[in-house]
Amino acid sequence: DTEVTQTPKHLVMGMTNKKSLKCEQHMGHRAMYWYKQKAKKPPELMFVYSYEKLSINESVPSRFSPECPNSSLLNLHLHALQPEDSALYLCASSPRTTLQRDIQYFGAGTRLSVL
Amino acid sequence: QKEVEQNSGPLSVPEGAIASLNCTYSDRVSQSFFWYRQYSGKSPELIMSIYSNGDKEDGRFTAQLNKASQYVSLLIRDSQPSDSATYLCAVGSGGYNKLIFGAGTRLAVHP
Repeated sequence: DTEVTQTPKHLVMGMTNKKSLKCEQHMGHRAMYWYKQKAKKPPELMFVYSYEKLSINESVPSRFSPECPNSSLLNLHLHALQPEDSALYLCASSPRTTLQRDIQYFGAGTRLSVL
Repeated sequence: QKEVEQNSGPLSVPEGAIASLNCTYSDRVSQSFFWYRQYSGKSPELIMSIYSNGDKEDGRFTAQLNKASQYVSLLIRDSQPSDSATYLCAVGSGGYNKLIFGAGTRLAVHP
């Protein structure tokens, strides 16, 4: 089973709203990732958590705030977003047992629209 | 700047033919290479991983890696209309095995 579950599937929010995206995996994976994907573009890495610690922040604006409460759960808190932040937000996880052969498995994504 | 290059396509092949997708990468120390398939509006799905030079086969899919040439390819035999999707080449890079994605090649298999 390589299931990564993301909720909600769709989200519409105004520029003054605060919302959160949730990602969950029960595969015992120790690394979790947030990606942003715009139409007809490849996924762009935003954040990496490794063993529940933030390892990589790809210079993401502070209106995006990640949180990893435990090894199975990853959140992305959204505040004061701009219309250009509308995209598909993908969560992924990987085992981290062998770093050089670590495979990332993606969730179905959250389609975000900012009005 | 570490880069992964793919032809954007579309690559159009008839049903039953072999589809050949290519990818080059710039980081010589990369050690892990992946092909993901992405249907329109869906998330990437892992098709193949390859780590050593040579070929790796899984059903109708064969991945080929040549580290000296910094080249990785994916062959799809007996292509089906259901194979029509965007294929993303991804290369693991750096201490955290960060994935660098190519822009993707759109494959269209016509009956």
